[in-house]
Amino acid sequence: AQSVAQPEDQVNVAEGNPLTVKCTYSVSGNPYLFWYVQYPNRGLQFLLKYITGDNLVKGSYGFEAEFNKSQTSFHLKKPSALVSDSALYFCAVRDRGDSSYKLIFGSGTRLLVRP
Amino acid sequence: DGGITQSPKYLFRKEGQNVTLSCEQNLNHDAMYWYRQDPGQGLRLIYYSQIVNDFQKGDIAEGYSVSREKKESFPLTVTSAQKNPTAFYLCASSIVPGHGSNEQFFGPGTRLTVL
Repeated sequence: AQSVAQPEDQVNVAEGNPLTVKCTYSVSGNPYLFWYVQYPNRGLQFLLKYITGDNLVKGSYGFEAEFNKSQTSFHLKKPSALVSDSALYFCAVRDRGDSSYKLIFGSGTRLLVRP
Repeated sequence: DGGITQSPKYLFRKEGQNVTLSCEQNLNHDAMYWYRQDPGQGLRLIYYSQIVNDFQKGDIAEGYSVSREKKESFPLTVTSAQKNPTAFYLCASSIVPGHGSNEQFFGPGTRLTVL
């Protein structure tokens, strides 16, 4: 069965410091991996995705994520956090061999960037 | 949220009532999805549709129904059989369901509260 784990309910970081939001996944085959961000009472916004190739994926708003196959992880990173990055972040996975094309979401991590 | 609209933004339902949530997209996407979001649980898939006049149950379809008569529209009905419908409902769409790497685009959501 496919699953995604986001082990931290909340991540706190000071503005200007680097941030990491963790994600690990489990699929039977090879994964497509996604990160989304959600601001209060809004829908999810796509940040970035891993399909194949370079393990370091760059996305919107200065975010990047590193795919690590051996550790089955896809952690979201940003070199310098902004207060406006404070939001709820979701990791999602899709098994390439799953014909239903369903996305499996993690439970979300709340990022709080303090001034 | 661009390209996908959901209405209403807030909806209140009395016990025993059926209510219908609207989702419209102008992105010319083939696939559409309905998710339910509860605090601390991430997103759970209710129904999805990969083509007009066809749809499949997701992980929590009981108490919900959908239709897909037009490519751009995918309304969700929350029936009286859904015992705990209070939640935030998100509609999403994606292009060409056969390409699993395609990200999903989300609407702004509808918050349903049972009185």
